Amino acid sequence: DAMVIQNPRYQVTQFGKPVTLSCSQTLNHNVMYWYQQKSSQAPKLLFHYYDKDFNNEADTPDNFQSRRPNTSFCFLDIRSPGLGDAAMYLCATSRDRSGGRPQHFGDGTRLSIL
Amino acid sequence: DQQVKQNSPSLSVQEGRISILNCDYTNSMFDYFLWYKKYPAEGPTFLISISSIKDKNEDGRFTVFLNKSAKHLSLHIVPSQPGDSAVYFCAALENNAGNMLTFGGGTRLMVKP
Repeated sequence: DAMVIQNPRYQVTQFGKPVTLSCSQTLNHNVMYWYQQKSSQAPKLLFHYYDKDFNNEADTPDNFQSRRPNTSFCFLDIRSPGLGDAAMYLCATSRDRSGGRPQHFGDGTRLSIL
Repeated sequence: DQQVKQNSPSLSVQEGRISILNCDYTNSMFDYFLWYKKYPAEGPTFLISISSIKDKNEDGRFTVFLNKSAKHLSLHIVPSQPGDSAVYFCAALENNAGNMLTFGGGTRLMVKP
């Protein structure tokens, strides 16, 4: 049974048109992460929520925002997508932020920009 | 500056033989190292991890070795199976840095029948 679910699996949007990607989890984990992965590159952390506490990575563009309305759901909002934002977006969760606990990933949303 | 590097983008191995995937890192503050496996169109799946206080961790066909002095770790898969064909990511984290993973670029393993 899928424990970290990302919708949609594929998303196409127009240049400059806002888009929202969603992630839900059934693990009741405290931490939720968003990664961006471009072709043949390592996943790059954008930000994470520890419970309701939002933590942005220093080099994440302002164009990227996130919301976590409750424990189960987390959203990635791209306000004005550019061609360079086409990528796979991965959501992950972990029980806590210490102890080397592995992160559990969803299957990702592949975003295309027209 | 890439803190975690996987210098081999691909590796081809015969079924039944050993697969050895390598990973190097530069940050001596990393406390844990993890390996993830990724099939096409799926998210990464956690495979095995090792704490920096250990030099070996084994789980079935998978063994991870850590050489702290060389800042090097490796994943051994014995025996390799065609179903092991996937991209393998090495990742590392600092315990005091919020469990944030730093990933290597991945190695594509192909196990030939």
